[in-house]
Amino acid sequence: AQTVTQSQPEMSVQEAETVTLSCTYDTSESNYYLFWYKQPPSRQMILVIRQEAYKQQNATENRFSVNFQKAAKSFSLKISDSQLGDTAMYFCVSFYGGSQGNLIFGKGTKLSVKP
Amino acid sequence: SQTIHQWPATLVQPVGSPLSLECTVEGTSNPNLYWYRQAAGRGLQLLFYSIGIGQISSEVPQNLSASRPQDRQFILSSKKLLLSDSGFYLCAWSSGTGDTEAFFGQGTRLTVV
Repeated sequence: AQTVTQSQPEMSVQEAETVTLSCTYDTSESNYYLFWYKQPPSRQMILVIRQEAYKQQNATENRFSVNFQKAAKSFSLKISDSQLGDTAMYFCVSFYGGSQGNLIFGKGTKLSVKP
Repeated sequence: SQTIHQWPATLVQPVGSPLSLECTVEGTSNPNLYWYRQAAGRGLQLLFYSIGIGQISSEVPQNLSASRPQDRQFILSSKKLLLSDSGFYLCAWSSGTGDTEAFFGQGTRLTVV
């Protein structure tokens, strides 16, 4: 079975500092996509960043960047200059299998940004 | 542009009553559709997903069922709710190839009393 593992249930960081959230996944597929989603207290799911497995270059979106290590099946999220509004649950998500595939969620990491 | 509608936003139902949650998508065709449940402070559990009309895959055995009567409509149902069915339910859609992000509804907070 395809799995996504987030080993850090909770993390905290001081405002303006940098934090890295870990994610590993397990697949035998060659074509897949990886995402980080943010779920603030409103519970609305918000896409933070996405990575295509066939791309070697790490994706970046403003203060958010990933470290995609395909051989190690690792997909960590780095948040730079953390802001209070970054406080949320963060989910690592994979999509495998093309038209037959589905989204696989990790259990999430609860991030608290402290002033 | 694509949008996803999920309703109702909140629901309080007695044990043993039926359930129907509806999700519709606009602005795309032949999406993959998903129902997830999220317990308080925890991750998402995939309940059902569908790659086409009438095609439903169930991930977790339970007293819930799903149907897809139209291409962009996904319904989560139960004939008799249990207390353990309480939770936050999210509908989502994605393209069949995964080359775009998944889009989520606003969620339904279900409390079974």
